[in-house]
Amino acid sequence: AQTVTQSQPEMSVQEAETVTLSCTYDTSESDYYLFWYKQPPSRQMILVIRQEAYKQQNATENRFSVNFQKAAKSFSLKISDSQLGDAAMYFCAYRSGVGNQFYFGTGTSLTVIP
Amino acid sequence: KAGVTQTPRYLIKTRGQQVTLSCSPISGHRSVSWYQQTPGQGLQFLFEYFSETQRNKGNFPGRFSGRQFSNSRSEMNVSTLELGDSALYLCASSRGHAEETQYFGPGTRLLVL
Repeated sequence: AQTVTQSQPEMSVQEAETVTLSCTYDTSESDYYLFWYKQPPSRQMILVIRQEAYKQQNATENRFSVNFQKAAKSFSLKISDSQLGDAAMYFCAYRSGVGNQFYFGTGTSLTVIP
Repeated sequence: KAGVTQTPRYLIKTRGQQVTLSCSPISGHRSVSWYQQTPGQGLQFLFEYFSETQRNKGNFPGRFSGRQFSNSRSEMNVSTLELGDSALYLCASSRGHAEETQYFGPGTRLLVL
């Protein structure tokens, strides 16, 4: 089974600064999709960004970007110009290209310091 | 377009009872997946339904079951509740293809006493 590892249980960042959240995964598949979801205190899971494994270009979504290293099986999330509203639990997720099951990491709790 | 809705939002049950949770996907979405979220185990996949058929199943006991109706709405049932079943239950919908994003509902918080 695929595994997703988030080695940083907690992170903090000053408002307006940049922070990077780490994620590694283990798979023998070549076709898969990677996601970052955000879960604020409301518990609603919100998609932040997604990356297709077959794409070499790193995905970017406004202040959010990823560093996708396929050979290293690494998928980190960079948040630029951090805002108070970015404070949440962030989950990295893997989805197989041949099945629809998501595998989630254990999450990183991000605190934004004013 | 309306998002994924889950009812009820909060539920309190006692051990041994059974519970049914409901999930209405985004219009046009045919896949509904269920997840259990607990502080100790994190997010764990329960099962996925697509076009009224269970397509994937996680590693949960048979007390956890589900079904999907022709309008893609899905229900999850837990029988003989245990204290450890206290969790946030999330459902997520998509059109059903692996490359698509899953959109999550707000969850049902179940407390078993």
